[in-house]
Amino acid sequence: DQQVKQNSPSLSVQEGRISILNCDYTNSMFDYFLWYKKYPAEGPTFLISISSIKDKNEDGRFTVFLNKSAKHLSLHIVPSQPGDSAVYFCAASAWNYGQNFVFGPGTRLSVLP
Amino acid sequence: DSGVTQTPKHLITATGQRVTLRCSPRSGDLSVYWYQQSLDQGLQFLIQYYNGEERAKGNILERFSAQQFPDLHSELNLSSLELGDSALYFCASSPRAGGEDTQYFGPGTRLTVL
Repeated sequence: DQQVKQNSPSLSVQEGRISILNCDYTNSMFDYFLWYKKYPAEGPTFLISISSIKDKNEDGRFTVFLNKSAKHLSLHIVPSQPGDSAVYFCAASAWNYGQNFVFGPGTRLSVLP
Repeated sequence: DSGVTQTPKHLITATGQRVTLRCSPRSGDLSVYWYQQSLDQGLQFLIQYYNGEERAKGNILERFSAQQFPDLHSELNLSSLELGDSALYFCASSPRAGGEDTQYFGPGTRLTVL
């Protein structure tokens, strides 16, 4: 049973437009969420995080929104650039409850020039 | 470059064999995590070590074991290998025991079991 779901395996966006990647989770104990980006032949790299006490966190072109009641978070990339083309993983943890990070299956983003 | 190194990059072996994957964390990081990524799957957390002690266990098979040495490098041992063990194995490190620590990932070891 997947606790963290990314229901879109892939997404294509035009350069300069907004990319929105979605993530849903089932465990209400999750209290910390992260997004990782992964290029081929490399390990995942940390992108942005959000704690459950917030509903938004912004870092440059990247913004993560958290809707706790819907158990949903999203990553917005504005404007999208070709270099953003990668696989994006959503991860969640409930550390205080002994739950280590659980990763979603990933969404492959393609930003078209 | 995350500062986390993993060796070897690629490993090809046969069913029934045993292999050891090695990970060196970033300088100063005390935690090491191991993950498995099978084809088209997300990252599955296997196990975490913090300062030499097992800290958390995930979906790690009994045929798999790990340890963290006094110099903080870690090894993941996979034995009685099966075809289904073919995957990318990632190691990550973080400064502390976890919680809100960012994990820094190595480039991975691709294991192919024939």
